[in-house]
Amino acid sequence: QVQLQQWGAGLLKPSETLSLTCAVYGGSFSGYYWSWIRQPPGKGLEWIGEINHSGLTNYNPSLKSRVTMSVDTSKNQFSLELSSVTAADTAVYYCARGGDGVTYHSDCWGQGTLVTVSS
Amino acid sequence: DIQMTQSPSSLSASVGDRVTITCRASQGITNYLAWYQQKPGKVPKLLIYGASTLQSGVPSRFSGSGSGTDFTLAISSLQPEDAATYYCQKYNSAPRTFGPGTKVDIK
Repeated sequence: QVQLQQWGAGLLKPSETLSLTCAVYGGSFSGYYWSWIRQPPGKGLEWIGEINHSGLTNYNPSLKSRVTMSVDTSKNQFSLELSSVTAADTAVYYCARGGDGVTYHSDCWGQGTLVTVSS
Repeated sequence: DIQMTQSPSSLSASVGDRVTITCRASQGITNYLAWYQQKPGKVPKLLIYGASTLQSGVPSRFSGSGSGTDFTLAISSLQPEDAATYYCQKYNSAPRTFGPGTKVDIK
């Protein structure tokens, strides 16, 4: 049974960098892409991007200039950094298991982290 | 990038009703489509992938169909616990965009 546990700072000031990490317990880490998805309060889901165990990434073009994803295979962890945050980046951020290279639906999700950007 | 739309944006139906939600892609995505259910304050849950394959543990009253650009999620007999927002997601290529969601209420 795969479980994802995520953590990171929940309150940021404008212009700061958001940093979140997600740990994967159980199952294969190297066989999948690992995703970040966010949801502003009261709004829908937005796909941020994904990374695989080799560090190959795909980012949403709308966020690409500010997003960096990284992976630590020794700890089965992957991380998200989003720079120069504004109030528009306030959202619940989810990590999720993405695809296996053939199909890319997300069947396992972290618990979510509310990140608030406020001065 | 491929855009995803859903209709309706919300609906209200009675217990036992058959409910259908439509998802449309701006370009063909063969069958690379998933459906998720999200209840208020909860993590999204995968219902269907490959447009029509039911995720393990999901009740059989949920079904998916379609290919190319037009897809449908159906609930054959709506139950009180089905009150939620439903999202489609295309995943044929990045960005793996979600639809805007359809909120389902119980009358």
